[in-house]
Amino acid sequence: EAGVAQSPRYKIIEKRQSVAFWCNPISGHATLYWYQQILGQGPKLLIQFQNNGVVDDSQLPKDRFSAERLKGVDSTLKIQPAKLEDSAVYLCASTLQGSSYNEQFFGPGTRLTVL
Amino acid sequence: QQQVKQSPQSLIVQKGGIPIINCAYENTAFDYFPWYQQFPGKGPALLIAIRPDVSEKKEGRFTISFNKSAKQFSLHIMDSQPGDSATYFCGGDTGRRALTFGSGTRLQVQP
Repeated sequence: EAGVAQSPRYKIIEKRQSVAFWCNPISGHATLYWYQQILGQGPKLLIQFQNNGVVDDSQLPKDRFSAERLKGVDSTLKIQPAKLEDSAVYLCASTLQGSSYNEQFFGPGTRLTVL
Repeated sequence: QQQVKQSPQSLIVQKGGIPIINCAYENTAFDYFPWYQQFPGKGPALLIAIRPDVSEKKEGRFTISFNKSAKQFSLHIMDSQPGDSATYFCGGDTGRRALTFGSGTRLQVQP
């Protein structure tokens, strides 16, 4: 079974530029999450999708971050304009709807460096 | 609001030792407590998890101890190996929203 795919793996941009990340969850997983992991910290939820609807985006900085999940499969996360404090690893995870333990399967992440 | 507090931040043990990582939670709505293991350059992966209706769960060399009244739980790694060197995150889950992760513990097992 293929895992969660993310691209790119690394990205370096100047502040005020824009950037986009892509995630392809495990086939059949209805729930998709984007997390931000700052160095030395645990992952922090940015947004949660159920199919193509948003379940929770309360911690998404909506003035600069946006995300979509068209057709309930792939998802993109965009930052525009980027700030220095956005430097982090952006993790995508998915879960199988109805699984009793809500195990989240994570992708390898995209490491963003904002200069 | 940090709802899951994890300690220590880092831990060094000798091979064969038993590292213990502790977590405390505030949200009494949590009904699922997982531990995730993360290697450098990889995403976290589920290691072991427990429901609050049991006090202990073992899977191989990994054991979770759970104290519901104290709102604390811990991970024990028996006979630790250098390959266990990783960052460990505890978490809390209400089953309706995404996981709340602790801040992580960087474990180094020396040969």
